[in-house]
Amino acid sequence: DAGVIQSPRHEVTEMGQEVTLRCKPISGHDYLFWYRQTMMRGLELLIYFNNNVPIDDSGMPEDRFSAKMPNASFSTLKIQPSEPRDSAVYFCASSLFRQGNYGYTFGSGTRLTVV
Amino acid sequence: QQQVKQSPQSLIVQKGGISIINCPYENTAFDYFPWYQQFPGKGPALLIAIRPDVSEKKEGRFTISFNKSAKQFSLHIMDSQPGDSATYFCAASIRGNAGNMLTFGGGTRLMVKP
Repeated sequence: DAGVIQSPRHEVTEMGQEVTLRCKPISGHDYLFWYRQTMMRGLELLIYFNNNVPIDDSGMPEDRFSAKMPNASFSTLKIQPSEPRDSAVYFCASSLFRQGNYGYTFGSGTRLTVV
Repeated sequence: QQQVKQSPQSLIVQKGGISIINCPYENTAFDYFPWYQQFPGKGPALLIAIRPDVSEKKEGRFTISFNKSAKQFSLHIMDSQPGDSATYFCAASIRGNAGNMLTFGGGTRLMVKP
């Protein structure tokens, strides 16, 4: 398995532009998590899905952030409009919920810079 | 509420030394305590994990110590090597709850000097 795949690896955009981050989870995994990592706040959970359904989006910082999971193999995190304070590394992680298996597999992340 | 704390934030160790990272936690319902290792430009990767029915788990040079009464768990890296230089995150979850959703500590940046 290729693991969790995120794209793009790096994104530089101007303030006010729309940004879309993409994630392909590991096939067969039933949970998908979006995290944001910054020096100041560490790893923050933004939203997670179970079987493509959003379960908890309380970590989404503002209405400018939205996430979708149209099918089991694809999820997007969209920021519209983007602001400089959104600059961070965004990680997607997936997991298979079954007894004895409690770990996440993270993607390599998307480094977002908003100028 | 920061349910899992982590210290120190950064750590410098000489090659061959012992690296120790501590994570006190607040929620007594936590029953799974993993450690993740993150290299620059990569996502965190599961390193080692422990359940509260044991006080210690060892995998190679990495050992988790768990103290239920003190509500704390620790990572010890014996014979630290320059290749261990990375950021380490402790985490905790309640198995079976919300997809085993992990609560992460703030991370420790470890540098092992040759």
